[in-house]
Amino acid sequence: AQSVTQLDSQVPVFEEAPVELRCNYSSSVSVYLFWYVQYPNQGLQLLLKYLSGSTLVKGINGFEAEFNKSQTSFHLRKPSVHISDTAEYFCAVSRWGNQGGKLIFGQGTELSVKP
Amino acid sequence: ETGVTQSPTHLIKTRGQQVTLRCSSQSGHNTVSWYQQALGQGPQFIFQYYREEENGRGNFPPRFSGLQFPNYSSELNVNALELDDSALYLCASSLRVAGGTDTQYFGPGTRLTVL
Repeated sequence: AQSVTQLDSQVPVFEEAPVELRCNYSSSVSVYLFWYVQYPNQGLQLLLKYLSGSTLVKGINGFEAEFNKSQTSFHLRKPSVHISDTAEYFCAVSRWGNQGGKLIFGQGTELSVKP
Repeated sequence: ETGVTQSPTHLIKTRGQQVTLRCSSQSGHNTVSWYQQALGQGPQFIFQYYREEENGRGNFPPRFSGLQFPNYSSELNVNALELDDSALYLCASSLRVAGGTDTQYFGPGTRLTVL
């Protein structure tokens, strides 16, 4: 079975500051990794995904994430945040070989960007 | 936007009633997954449909059931509603191809309130 832990439930940060949202996972098999963003009263939007290859993945809106197999982590980073980045961010995994199968999500991290 | 649509956007029901939620897949997608997102939580996998058959189910009771139609749209039915069924219900579509399945793209969700 797989599980996902997002280490921070809330991350407040000032505009133009860097941010890191932390995600650790547990799995007995190889997994695919995803970050989704959810703006208020909306569905989930895919930010980026790691399937294989380079461990540094670049996504939309200037976000990137690094897969670290030894630490079973997939932390999300942005060098300079904007007010519009305020949202809930979810880390998710699915079993390798089943990219479109069951997604297991973390509890979410609320990113609050202040002016 | 992903092209995945859901209806209705909001719904209020009373305990014991039945509800049907609808989802239209993104063009070209053949797989639909349903998730339940309780307030302040990450989404939880309910089930997935491929070629009109259930293809994987999460830890939800049988009163949660679904259908997929030949045009790949889908319905989620919940019988005997309970107060804890109050949540945002998310539909995600993807394309299953030989050797794997593409990434899931989410709709805006249906907010169900059970009184």
